[in-house]
Amino acid sequence: ELKVEQNPLFLSMQEGKNYTIYCNYSTTSDRLYWYRQDPGKSLESLFVLLSNGAVKQEGRLMASLDTKARLSTLHITAAVHDLSATYFCAVPPGQNFGNEKLTFGTGTRLTIIP
Amino acid sequence: NAGVTQTPKFQVLKTGQSMTLQCAQDMNHEYMSWYRQDPGMGLRLIHYSVGAGITDQGEVPNGYNVSRSTTEDFPLRLLSAAPSQTSVYFCASRIPGAGNTIYFGEGSWLTVV
Repeated sequence: ELKVEQNPLFLSMQEGKNYTIYCNYSTTSDRLYWYRQDPGKSLESLFVLLSNGAVKQEGRLMASLDTKARLSTLHITAAVHDLSATYFCAVPPGQNFGNEKLTFGTGTRLTIIP
Repeated sequence: NAGVTQTPKFQVLKTGQSMTLQCAQDMNHEYMSWYRQDPGMGLRLIHYSVGAGITDQGEVPNGYNVSRSTTEDFPLRLLSAAPSQTSVYFCASRIPGAGNTIYFGEGSWLTVV
């Protein structure tokens, strides 16, 4: 059974600081998704990581994937208040591109304080 | 272009009642899925479909039925609502292909009393 763990679960950080959210998964997978969710809202796609060593950046967020370590990181640079949200990673099992059985992590609730 | 549309947005049901959550997408996406999100948790897959006429079970399928008669629509039926089905339900769709983004609907808040 695929398990996806995120840490930390809660993160409070000051504006301007850097931090990293970690996503570990338990079995082989060929891709990983990162999503953002604001309170009471739907999920917004941030990144799709498709291969070992993949790195993607958008603004102050950068995501990377190490399939050998079964680890993805979401790095936040010089945090601003607008980044306050809950961040989820999600992983499909195995190496079948058609497999839709995503397993989500429990989320990291990020709060940026002035 | 409306994207993924879910109705209703809010619903209160009594235990034992049945209802259907509607999901429609106008992006011609072959893949569609239903998830539920419980407080403080990530999403869990209920059922999914890789095309019209094809459905399969996800992680938590018990108590739910789906059908996919058209590419656009993927309704989720609660057969006999239970308080344990109180949750937020999200419908999602995407085009086949590993790198393609999954688009989520706005969610349906369901309370079973």
